Amino acid sequence: GENVEQHPSTLSVQEGDSAVIKCTYSDSASNYFPWYKQELGKGPQLIIDIRSNVGEKKDQRIAVTLNKTAKHFSLHITETQPEDSAVYFCAASPWDDKIIFGKGTRLHILP
Amino acid sequence: DTGVSQNPRHKITKRGQNVTFRCDPISEHNRLYWYRQTLGQGPEFLTYFQNEAQLEKSRLLSDRFSAERPKGSFSTLEIQRTEQGDSAMYLCASSPGRIPNYGYTFGSGTRLTVV
Repeated sequence: GENVEQHPSTLSVQEGDSAVIKCTYSDSASNYFPWYKQELGKGPQLIIDIRSNVGEKKDQRIAVTLNKTAKHFSLHITETQPEDSAVYFCAASPWDDKIIFGKGTRLHILP
Repeated sequence: DTGVSQNPRHKITKRGQNVTFRCDPISEHNRLYWYRQTLGQGPEFLTYFQNEAQLEKSRLLSDRFSAERPKGSFSTLEIQRTEQGDSAMYLCASSPGRIPNYGYTFGSGTRLTVV
């Protein structure tokens, strides 16, 4: 089955700087890669996703990139703000199948 | 429809007791998923339903766990003879179930503490 590895487990960046979280996946059949943000006491919330027919996708300050050959995908947050502090999860899913999550990255935005 | 609703939000139970959680998905969503999340970990897949049919169960789901979605709407997850290792956040999510895959909408979870 699919296995998703996520790095780093903790990341601290200065407010206004960029943050990058990297993930790898194992199942070449995976073709859907969502990213979730989880705040304390809440369920994960989908923030952006990318499909295997696209190499990059951007939504305001958030961008995701996908390298299918290397089975790598990354989340980039630019101009970080205090409200970006949370736990971020990458995930991968084969066609029409369940989503498998990474272990998460705790992002701290420092004032 | 305000999203995925889970009840209760918190549950404290004594070891050996049975507990049941409820999930109400977004009304037009055909798929419903249960995940378990322990502290510092990502959500781990437990089981999912397409309408009322339970299509897959993880090996994490021991025979003490049972899930139902009797009319293809709400779902229940029951844990019998709870153990301290069952302490976790139990998350429910739903999706439209169309192909290709769409991201899930999660509920806020039920936090189970077994004492």
